[in-house]
Amino acid sequence: DAKTTQPTSMDCAEGRAANLPCNHSTISGNEYVYWYRQIHSQGPQYIIHGLKNNETNEMASLIITEDRKSSTLILPHATLRDTAVYYCIVRVAGSGGSNYKLTFGKGTLLTVNP
Amino acid sequence: GAGVSQSPSNKVTEKGKDVELRCDPISGHTALYWYRQRLGQGLEFLIYFQGNSAPDKSGLPSDRFSAERTGESVSTLTIQRTQQEDSAVYLCASSSSYGTGGNQPQHFGDGTRLSIL
Repeated sequence: DAKTTQPTSMDCAEGRAANLPCNHSTISGNEYVYWYRQIHSQGPQYIIHGLKNNETNEMASLIITEDRKSSTLILPHATLRDTAVYYCIVRVAGSGGSNYKLTFGKGTLLTVNP
Repeated sequence: GAGVSQSPSNKVTEKGKDVELRCDPISGHTALYWYRQRLGQGLEFLIYFQGNSAPDKSGLPSDRFSAERTGESVSTLTIQRTQQEDSAVYLCASSSSYGTGGNQPQHFGDGTRLSIL
C-alpha cells in the first residue's frame, strides 16, 4: 500500500469547518483513499473513502485532487466530539493478497476547541 | 443499525489464566477481523475470517492464541496461559464482502481492554 503523510496535529474552533490534509503521492490507480478516526478509548471509526471522485456522506466530505496525489477530509461543522486522531490510508481494491490487513500511520490529532 | 459488539469491554486476569473474548459482527457481514492495539501503538493484525474459506491466521503471535467463528456470526478469540505482554486492547471488525474485497470498509467494535496482572 502507498505511504501517506499527514500533519501531526491540528486545531479547529467548534462550529467551524475542519480541513484535514493527506499526501499520498505514490498512490496507484487501483488504490482507494480511506479515512478513519479514533476517539480516545474507542475503536477506530470508518468515516469515508473514495477512488477519484469527491465523496460526501453524513459525516464528512472527501476531496481528492485530480492527480490523486493528495486529499482533504472536511468536517463541515466540527464539534467537541470530533476531537480524535484521524487516519488517512490507501488500500488496493480487490480481495487478492492481504490488502484486508489495515495498518494506520501516526495520523493527525484534531483538537476541536470551544 | 447495530454495530460490531464486543464483550467483555474490560477484562482483568492473572498471569497464566485463559481468557475468551467475544465479537458479534454487523449482521450480514461475511468478513471478520481481529486486531490488537497496544497502548499508544497502531493496529496489529491477528486473524481474518471470510465466509467458509480457511481463515488467515498469519498474525497470531503464538500458539497460545486461537480464534473460532461460527458460520458468519459470532467469533471468539481465546488466549491461553496469558502473559503480561498480552495486555492490550483487542479489536474486532467486520465488513461486507459484496463486490471487490479491498474497497469494503471495516467497521470496528470498541474493543476489549485486557489487563494481565
